[in-house]
Amino acid sequence: DAGVTQSPTHLIKTRGQQVTLRCSPKSGHDTVSWYQQALGQGPQFIFQYYEEEERQRGNFPDRFSGHQFPNYSSELNVNALLLGDSALYLCASSSGVSGGKTQYFGPGTRLLVL
Amino acid sequence: DAKTTQPTSMDCAEGRAANLPCNHSTISGNEYVYWYRQIHSQGPQYIIHGLKNNETNEMASLIITEDRKSSTLILPHATLRDTAVYYCIVRVAESGSARQLTFGSGTQLTVLP
Repeated sequence: DAGVTQSPTHLIKTRGQQVTLRCSPKSGHDTVSWYQQALGQGPQFIFQYYEEEERQRGNFPDRFSGHQFPNYSSELNVNALLLGDSALYLCASSSGVSGGKTQYFGPGTRLLVL
Repeated sequence: DAKTTQPTSMDCAEGRAANLPCNHSTISGNEYVYWYRQIHSQGPQYIIHGLKNNETNEMASLIITEDRKSSTLILPHATLRDTAVYYCIVRVAESGSARQLTFGSGTQLTVLP
């Protein structure tokens, strides 16, 4: 049973560029949440997708956008990259939009913005 | 979701039980207590969760006080691979409501040989 997978594992971009990160949820899961984790801090919630719609959003600017596909996989897009966007980006999957469902995390994508 | 308070760091001898406390004095009746851990540079790993009763699985035990204002995660026989940051999170469990996990700073557990 495959767990949550993310690609790529590492990425280097320069300021002003755009980046797309990808996530495949755990088998049987249909909800994907994205988190940003800066160095030395806990993960911060970006947004959550269920039934191909953004259901909830954290305190992140519109430069951060996402998409969920019919197979439940998801993409996180960040436009006009800033140095402060350098972080570990984590994807978590769960079953259904119910708040009681456990979220399982992928290994993350390490983004470095130069 | 209620806020949690955890010690910044703890040490534990290898083979001994690691007891990680968490204070959540403002927890509501419909909030679960979740524990995750994060080994350096990896994604957080789910450990256990509970509402009122004590819970046990193959990884750990969760002891929740009767008033639900605090809990303790117990790793019965800590190994060096249990060295990680442990996060205690309280989270509403309402059907139909999309609820994110709100992470605090967690407890850095170091298991010493």
